[in-house]
Amino acid sequence: NAGVTQTPKFRVLKTGQSMTLLCAQDMNHEYMYWYRQDPGMGLRLIHYSVGEGTTAKGEVPDGYNVSRLKKQNFLLGLESAAPSQTSVYFCASSDTPNTEAFFGQGTRLTVV
Amino acid sequence: SQQGEEDPQALSIQEGENATMNCSYKTSINNLQWYRQNSGRGLVHLILIRSNEREKHSGRLRVTLDTSKKSSSLLITASRAADTASYFCATVGTSDSWGKLQFGAGTQVVVTP
Repeated sequence: NAGVTQTPKFRVLKTGQSMTLLCAQDMNHEYMYWYRQDPGMGLRLIHYSVGEGTTAKGEVPDGYNVSRLKKQNFLLGLESAAPSQTSVYFCASSDTPNTEAFFGQGTRLTVV
Repeated sequence: SQQGEEDPQALSIQEGENATMNCSYKTSINNLQWYRQNSGRGLVHLILIRSNEREKHSGRLRVTLDTSKKSSSLLITASRAADTASYFCATVGTSDSWGKLQFGAGTQVVVTP
């Protein structure tokens, strides 16, 4: 099993550009999450989804949008990238909130 | 602000010693989980403890949960160099926060041979 796969692994954007990060899981999980990790800040929840077609805001949703059109995919969009969005982004999925979450390997995004 | 806060922020020990780290959280939880992250990698689940449980073991790991104090501790016994990593607690809330998996800032552990 591939588990949770994030695409791309690295990206450099110019301020104002847009991009979409893709998270794909092959475990038929209902719950999916997007986090950003900054030095000394741990992981902060951006958006999450409790099932296909649903999305909800996390701790730091501003500047990001998400979609969950298919159960296996959770997309994170940056409409107009800002240097403050330079971070490592992690996607995770879980069967239920009472079971372990599986993480992707991360996407390192730099906005210049 | 983040739901969980780990203490200490960093811990340096020698192989064979025990490592203890603590997590405090702010609101009611359904469960609390501990994860490990090796440098440059994704997080790996270690253990989950439900709100009605007080202690749980998995191999060299021991987790306690005190819901009255809103705190948890992770003990790694007989540490090894391979335990060098960052450790994070994460909580799943109740009612409106059901489904939200929120992390603390982590404890960086260095185990020297």
